[in-house]
Amino acid sequence: GQQVMQIPQYQHVQEGEDFTTYCNSSTTLSNIQWYKQRPGGHPVFLIQLVKSGEVKKQKRLTFQFGEAKKNSSLHITATQTTDVGTYFCAGGLTSNTGKLIFGQGTTLQVKP
Amino acid sequence: EAGVAQSPRYKIIEKRQSVAFWCNPISGHATLYWYQQILGQGPKLLIQFQNNGVVDDSQLPKDRFSAERLKGVDSTLKIQPAKLEDSAVYLCASSLDYGSNKNIQYFGAGTRLSVL
Repeated sequence: GQQVMQIPQYQHVQEGEDFTTYCNSSTTLSNIQWYKQRPGGHPVFLIQLVKSGEVKKQKRLTFQFGEAKKNSSLHITATQTTDVGTYFCAGGLTSNTGKLIFGQGTTLQVKP
Repeated sequence: EAGVAQSPRYKIIEKRQSVAFWCNPISGHATLYWYQQILGQGPKLLIQFQNNGVVDDSQLPKDRFSAERLKGVDSTLKIQPAKLEDSAVYLCASSLDYGSNKNIQYFGAGTRLSVL
């Protein structure tokens, strides 16, 4: 079946360092969404990318969607302790049912 | 605007017992999702409703899990009988619709189930 893989599983950085997580799908996606889950919390929507090659920025966060619409990345510049949490990518299937396939997430720890 | 409401927040049961979870989505959201999130993993879709109809239940273990959304608003998810491997957080989410530009999902706080 369709799979969405995310790497790395864990990342520990010093505050101020950059962070990147990568997401790869076994099939072409209609869109990709990114969610953040704080420890003990629930996933919260960050952004949606729809177009091939699309790049979107939210303050220190940069999101990219690959040209083939099979991969994506999230890059955080100059991490802060508030960035701690697990970041999930979720691929939207081309069947357009709205179903999302979530990756296993990348857990970010930031040392002050 | 009120978010997605779920209850209970925590539930501890013994294996072979039954349990039910309740979800009230954001008002006006036609699509409702139930996910299972095992510790250290991403959410796995169990069932997706569009109003009161099922869109996808391909990963729902139908021998023990059931879900309904009778009036197209609230939903319940039931497990009967529970197994040890059902220990997880059960998340409910809703979206405005299910088209690719309308399926931004809003999650509830979840129900943490422990099966002993």
